[in-house]
Amino acid sequence: EVHLLESGGGFIQPGGSLRLSCAASGFTFSNFAMTWVRQAPGKGLEWVSTISGSGGSRFSADSVKGRFTISRDNSKNTLFLQMSSLRVDDTAIYYCAKEISGTYPVTSDSWGQGTLVTVSS
Amino acid sequence: SSELTQDPAVSVALGQTVRITCQGDSLRTYHANWYQQKPGQAPILVISGKNNRPSGIPDRFSGSSSGTTASLTITGAQAEDEADYYCNSRDRSGNRKLFGPGTKVTVL
Repeated sequence: EVHLLESGGGFIQPGGSLRLSCAASGFTFSNFAMTWVRQAPGKGLEWVSTISGSGGSRFSADSVKGRFTISRDNSKNTLFLQMSSLRVDDTAIYYCAKEISGTYPVTSDSWGQGTLVTVSS
Repeated sequence: SSELTQDPAVSVALGQTVRITCQGDSLRTYHANWYQQKPGQAPILVISGKNNRPSGIPDRFSGSSSGTTASLTITGAQAEDEADYYCNSRDRSGNRKLFGPGTKVTVL
């Protein structure tokens, strides 16, 4: 059974940095692309970033490009999201999700429970 | 356009059928996926691709597509189907994931 557990969320001031982690189990991690999706309070889902199984390809939303970096450690079955220059409108629950594809942001078939990031002064 | 649109809310009587639609230019090229999200919970995939139901998803959920419109149909809606439903696809480049704004389904 696929299990995804996010961590690293918390309260941070605007302009600050935070690194989220997602520990994966129950599947061959390196075979699948992984994705971060966020959801602001009371709002819909917003795709953030996807990384291929090998880590060689990365795709990001324009809203986070240059500020957020997705990465992975296949030896530790862990996905990361390094967030910098955080803004109030980055406040959201951040979900990690497994893709059915090895490379592209296609279909997220399993999701973690999310970690809350609050950006406020 | 690189957007997906959905009706904000629909209601359905218990046991009746409801169809939720998603519109976008990219749906001419890429299939839509559908996610169900209940309050305080993570989304779960209910339909992927042409009309694939993951294991554990009841067969009352089905998907279809025509041109720039994808649809999720719940045949014989149950109380536990009350939730927000999001469609998703890819943009024209295939390198970005798109989500619709979501449809709140109320079962009366």
